[in-house]
Order: sequence, then C-alpha cells, then structure tokens
Amino acid sequence: DAGVIQSPRHEVTEMGQEVTLRCKPISGHDYLFWYRQTMMRGLELLIYFNNNVPIDDSGMPEDRFSAKMPNASFSTLKIQPSEPRDSAVYFCASSFGGMETQYFGPGTRLLVL
Amino acid sequence: EDQVTQSPEALRLQEGESSSLNCSYTVSGLRGLFWYRQDPGKGPEFLFTLYSAGEEKEKERLKATLTKKESFLHITAPKPEDSATYLCAVPRGGTSYGKLTFGQGTILTVHP
Repeated sequence: DAGVIQSPRHEVTEMGQEVTLRCKPISGHDYLFWYRQTMMRGLELLIYFNNNVPIDDSGMPEDRFSAKMPNASFSTLKIQPSEPRDSAVYFCASSFGGMETQYFGPGTRLLVL
Repeated sequence: EDQVTQSPEALRLQEGESSSLNCSYTVSGLRGLFWYRQDPGKGPEFLFTLYSAGEEKEKERLKATLTKKESFLHITAPKPEDSATYLCAVPRGGTSYGKLTFGQGTILTVHP
C-alpha cells in the first residue's frame, strides 16, 4: 500500500497568496484528518471527515482556512489569503473507523514570507 | 479540559542505556492511548495502541504500558536508530470519534 500521499512536500509563498494542500488517503479508509504541527503548539487537529463529509472543523483557526473532500480518494486544505503565522507543517492522516489507528502522510512544509 | 503531558522534553542516552518515557493524561473515559514515533521531516509513525490499565505491548526494543493516569514507553538497550521524537495521544473525552489530543513529545537522542 502506498500510504497517505500529500503534495506538495514543500511550499514557499508570499503573504496574501492562496495555498492549496492536497491529500490522498489510504484506499478503503473512511476517516480523513488534517493536522498542523508547529514548535509552539505541537500537533493540532484542524478538521476531519467521515465518508467525505466534514464532521468537525472546530480546530480550523480562521475563515481563511477551508477544506474539502470531493471523493474518497482526495482532499484539499486551502488557505486564502495566507499569512506568515500560517507557516507550519501540515499533515493529513486517515483511518478505517474513527477510533482506529490514524496513519499519517509525510506532511507539507509551508513557509509564508 | 483534556490534557496530555509528556516528560522529559528531551532525553539523551548512550547506546545500550535503558530508560523510560512518560505520558500523563487527564481525559474523561479513556478509550485508548496511542504512541507514535516521528523522525525529522516525516509524519508520525504508529507504534502502539493501549486500551486498558495493565495492558502492555512490545515491539523490538520498545515496550508500552498503561495505568489509569499515565503510560510509559520503555526502551531497552537502545540503538542510535531509535533516536526520534516519541508522541503519545488520547482521544478527546466525550467524543465517539478519533479526535486525538497529542502531547508535545519527547525528543530521544541515542549516542553510539
């Protein structure tokens, strides 16, 4: 199995630009999670989906952040407009069943200048 | 509020020097505790899930144990390749789904 796939692996952009992060979960998994990791705050859950439906977005920091899951094989996390404080590593994870083990992707390292 | 606290923040060991990492948690109705390993520049890699006090799980040089208030990750005769950040996480209380609260992690460095 290929595992969770994320793209791009690195993104450098300027403040005010739109950023789109992509994730392909493990085939057959019905839960998808987006996390953000920073030195100050550690690993934080932003939003999660069950069967492509957003269930809880209480961790999304601001309206500038949005996430979609148009089908079982693809999800996006969009930041518009981006700000320097959004610089972090963003991880996507998936699981089969909400209480089961979450498998993480390699992450997208975002730098907003 | 659910809390997960890991200690120490950083641990330096000599190869072969056994030690333990701690994960203390406060959550209503524990429904599992997860241990992950994270290498620099990579995503967390699953190690163990523990569900009830007294449960133990082993994998190579690692053994995880669980009590009602904390979990330990014991590392026996570590090797340099065991160097990584070790994270623990618990599902948030009151939820039926995998909303995990992560600790800040313990950075383990094993010197040859």
